[in-house]
Amino acid sequence: GAVVSQHPSWVICKSGTSVKIECRSLDFQATTMFWYRQFPKQSLMLMATSNEGSKATYEQGVEKDKFLINHASLTLSTLTVTSAHPEDSSFYICSAPTSGWGNEQYFGPGTRLTVT
Amino acid sequence: RKEVEQDPGPFNVPEGATVAFNCTYSNSASQSFFWYRQDCRKEPKLLMSVYSSGNEDGRFTAQLNRASQYISLLIRDSKLSDSATYLCVVVNSGNTPLVFGKGTRLSVIA
Repeated sequence: GAVVSQHPSWVICKSGTSVKIECRSLDFQATTMFWYRQFPKQSLMLMATSNEGSKATYEQGVEKDKFLINHASLTLSTLTVTSAHPEDSSFYICSAPTSGWGNEQYFGPGTRLTVT
Repeated sequence: RKEVEQDPGPFNVPEGATVAFNCTYSNSASQSFFWYRQDCRKEPKLLMSVYSSGNEDGRFTAQLNRASQYISLLIRDSKLSDSATYLCVVVNSGNTPLVFGKGTRLSVIA
């Protein structure tokens, strides 16, 4: 089946530094990928839609200058958390829809970010 | 009204019990419906798609009622390994993001 990978799986960084998270579709091409964030005991919240070859679309309340998204190819999207702060500590997950019926999507395994 | 609403639980049931989760969605034009399962500190994984005709996979049965904008998941003969959070998910159209409910937490107790 389709597989989506994420790297790194976890990262600890200091306040003020930037962290890049990669999301790759391993056996299919994804012109669109989605980035979600999940705080403890909360639901997944969509942050942005990453579009290959064009600008990402951000959800209301998500700062585009803080969460930089680059969809460099049909198999890779990156999310960079710039000038990270402790409140950015969260579980970040990407997903990519396949071309199959029903818009089934596959999730990456997630990246747990801790900002100290 | 939230786009996808679920009873958050938790549902604490003994092994072997039958448990049912419900979910309602607000957008009558929604096209696709799924149940995902999420284990603690892990990514969501697709459990099953939901069709108007009903969908059964082993101990799991999902049902969609478009008229009432209502989705259900029935788990029979619960196992300890069924303990997880079950997410009701709706796709509105085309290549759009998934819309998640907040999830229903299930604990199956020995």
